[in-house]
Amino acid sequence: EAGVVQSPRYKIIEKKQPVAFWCNPISGHNTLYWYRQNLGQGPELLIRYENEEAVDDSQLPKDRFSAERLKGVDSTLKIQPAELGDSAVYLCASSPQRGNEQFFGPGTRLTVL
Amino acid sequence: GESVGLHLPTLSVQEGDNSIINCAYSNSASDYFIWYKQESGKGPQFIIDIRSNMDKRQGQRVTVLLNKTVKHLSLQIAATQPGDSAVYFCAEGPSGGADGLTFGKGTHLIIQP
Repeated sequence: EAGVVQSPRYKIIEKKQPVAFWCNPISGHNTLYWYRQNLGQGPELLIRYENEEAVDDSQLPKDRFSAERLKGVDSTLKIQPAELGDSAVYLCASSPQRGNEQFFGPGTRLTVL
Repeated sequence: GESVGLHLPTLSVQEGDNSIINCAYSNSASDYFIWYKQESGKGPQFIIDIRSNMDKRQGQRVTVLLNKTVKHLSLQIAATQPGDSAVYFCAEGPSGGADGLTFGKGTHLIIQP
């Protein structure tokens, strides 16, 4: 069974530029999560989807971040415009249903110059 | 084996010894706890989980202990191997596991030959 797929693996951009990350969860997993992991820290939840519905986006900085999961399968996280402090690893995870084990992808390492 | 108090950022053990990694959680309403292992450049990998109606759970070479009285979680790794070198995170989920996980500070486990 394929795991959670994320792309790109690495991204380097200049501040004020837009950037997008893509995630394809494990087949059949209805719940999808985006986390941000700063260097030396644990992941922090940004947004959770149940199918195509964003059910918890309280930690998402909505002035510059947006996310979508239009068909309830893959998802895109966007930052526009990026700031220096956005440099981090952005992790996607999926779960067959809420309350169960979450499976993480390899992450996208973003560097904002 | 080597035992440590509440969270240390780094734990160094000899190959073959037992390791104990500790974690304190904050939300007394949490009822789901997970240990993840994260190797450099990879996403967190599930190790073992436990629900609040249990105080101990064993896996292959790993044991998780939960003390709800003092809100303390520990991961015991038996006969550590070089492949166990990684950063270990504990994570807690709120009651019913409804939302994303809250991760603790990681512990970098270093295995010395």
